[in-house]
Amino acid sequence: EAGVAQSPRYKIIEKRQSVAFWCNPISGHATLYWYQQILGQGPKLLIQFQNNGVVDDSQLPKDRFSAERLKGVDSTLKIQPAKLEDSAVYLCASSLNSVSTDTQYFGPGTRLTVL
Amino acid sequence: AQSVAQPEDQVNVAEGNPLTVKCTYSVSGNPYLFWYVQYPNRGLQFLLKYITGDNLVKGSYGFEAEFNKSQTSFHLKKPSALVSDSALYFCAVRDLSSGQAGTALIFGKGTTLSVSS
Repeated sequence: EAGVAQSPRYKIIEKRQSVAFWCNPISGHATLYWYQQILGQGPKLLIQFQNNGVVDDSQLPKDRFSAERLKGVDSTLKIQPAKLEDSAVYLCASSLNSVSTDTQYFGPGTRLTVL
Repeated sequence: AQSVAQPEDQVNVAEGNPLTVKCTYSVSGNPYLFWYVQYPNRGLQFLLKYITGDNLVKGSYGFEAEFNKSQTSFHLKKPSALVSDSALYFCAVRDLSSGQAGTALIFGKGTTLSVSS
């Protein structure tokens, strides 16, 4: 079974530029998460989708971050404009459903460096 | 509010010795607890989870964890450490009664395990 795919793996941009990350979840997984992992910290949720609907985006900085999952499969996370503090690893995860006992499976992440 | 604490930034053990990585949690209801491992430049890999039932949970790669409700702990253990176990370990919790809209995990800050040969 293929895992969660993410691209690109690495991205370097200058502040105020825009950037987009892509995620393709495990086939058949209805729930998709984006997490931000800053160096030295655990991952923190940015947004959760159930199919193509948003379940929780309470911690998404909506003035600069946006995400979509238009067809309920793959997803894109965008930052515009980027700030220095956005330097982090962006992890995508998926689970079968939004059942609380479901295991989340993570992709390899995209490491973003903002200069 | 939900929270997870991993009190040790780093744990050092010799190969062949038992290892323990500590985790304590704070939730208002019944917790669902998870352990993940992260190798350099890779995503998090699921090790095991506690949902209900037996307090001793067995997981991947010979790891196990013991749920202790009275001490609000969920320590990760392995009887005999391998050099290849060296990695960053994360404990995470999900609390059904927190009122949060979704089912996201709350992670600790991680513990680096270093196993020497």
